Amino acid sequence: EIVMTQSPATLSVSPGERATLSCWASQSVGSNLAWYQQKPGQAPRLLIYGPSTRATGIPARFSGSGSGTEFTLTISSLQSEDFAVYYCQQYNNWPPYTFGQGTKLEIK
Amino acid sequence: QVQFVQSGAEVKKPGASVKVSCKASGYTFTNYPLHWVRQAPGQSLEWMAWINPNDGNTKYSQKFQDRVTITRDTSASTAYMELSSLRSEDTAVYYCARDWYGTLQHWGQGTLVTVSS
Repeated sequence: EIVMTQSPATLSVSPGERATLSCWASQSVGSNLAWYQQKPGQAPRLLIYGPSTRATGIPARFSGSGSGTEFTLTISSLQSEDFAVYYCQQYNNWPPYTFGQGTKLEIK
Repeated sequence: QVQFVQSGAEVKKPGASVKVSCKASGYTFTNYPLHWVRQAPGQSLEWMAWINPNDGNTKYSQKFQDRVTITRDTSASTAYMELSSLRSEDTAVYYCARDWYGTLQHWGQGTLVTVSS
């Protein structure tokens, strides 16, 4: 099973600033990495896959990069609606699909 | 638009079973696989299983292999997840989600299953 590790657990950023979230895989997942956003009481929402393609309707301020074992989600110019929990997920080797433990992005 | 409506919250006693439904609309049900994912309170997401509604083929996480069964009714565009031998650690929100090249593109609203004596 591939273990996904995210850092940091919590990130405090001011609105308008940039946020950088990291995700590592215990072995190579190639480009088969996705990012999800989850707000309290809601289901996760697919943001980025492949690992730099934005899903339908996702604003351009969200961008993803990386390959192999190291990946980054960057949110430029944070908006109030971006404060949420973000998860990475590998879909290269399955079953099982595996998720990171999440990064909580909070307002500074 | 693609939409999933899941069945309502459940409260079960330890040792019992629960069956959660996921009704799809807005697309051809048999064209896309479905996943089941759960999330315990305050925890991350945990993948459980996958089904191809076209032929009923399933894949399970080894963790749940002995306790979970995924089925579908193509005439009703509905998938089902049944989890048996429930224990307190199974208290979680259970989601269905549509696959798209390995990603979980569209999600149901979630079903809270509480296991308590």
